[in-house]
Amino acid sequence: KAGVTQTPRYLIKTRGQQVTLSCSPISGHRSVSWYQQTPGQGLQFLFEYFSETQRNKGNFPGRFSGRQFSNSRSEMNVSTLELGDSALYLCASSIDSYNEQFFGPGTRLTVL
Amino acid sequence: DQQVKQNSPSLSVQEGRISILNCDYTNSMFDYFLWYKKYPAEGPTFLISISSIKDKNEDGRFTVFLNKSAKHLSLHIVPSQPGDSAVYFCAARDNNDMRFGAGTRLTVKP
Repeated sequence: KAGVTQTPRYLIKTRGQQVTLSCSPISGHRSVSWYQQTPGQGLQFLFEYFSETQRNKGNFPGRFSGRQFSNSRSEMNVSTLELGDSALYLCASSIDSYNEQFFGPGTRLTVL
Repeated sequence: DQQVKQNSPSLSVQEGRISILNCDYTNSMFDYFLWYKKYPAEGPTFLISISSIKDKNEDGRFTVFLNKSAKHLSLHIVPSQPGDSAVYFCAARDNNDMRFGAGTRLTVKP
């Protein structure tokens, strides 16, 4: 069974630009969650999608948004990038919210 | 606000001994707790979880203990192996949110 895949793996952007990250969950998984990992803040929950609906949302500004498609693939968008958005963005999929999550390798975003 | 805390940033144990990783939380609404292991340059890997209706869950060498009155959970690894060397995150969730601790770096020495 293929694992969670994330594209791209690395990304360099400049302040003010916007970025879209993609996540393909494990086949059969309907829940996709996004996390931001930084050295200072550790792992922080961004949001969770289930069956194309945002189910939960962490404490991030509206510049961070996402969506989920009918095939459970998910995208995360960050607009008006700031230097502090530089981080590793992880996607995790699970059958449902309270099942174990399987993480992808992450997308490392660098904002210059 | 740090609702989930791992107060030990690092832990070093000898191979074959027990590793005990601790985690404290403040939100009494958390009802599900998880431990993840993370190697460098990889995403976290789920290890073990526990529901708030239980106080212990065991899976092979890994056991998680939950003390709800103290809002404390711990992960026991016994016997510890060098391949267990990684960063361990505890996580807690309720209906709306999932919070992670800052992680504890475990080093198991041969």
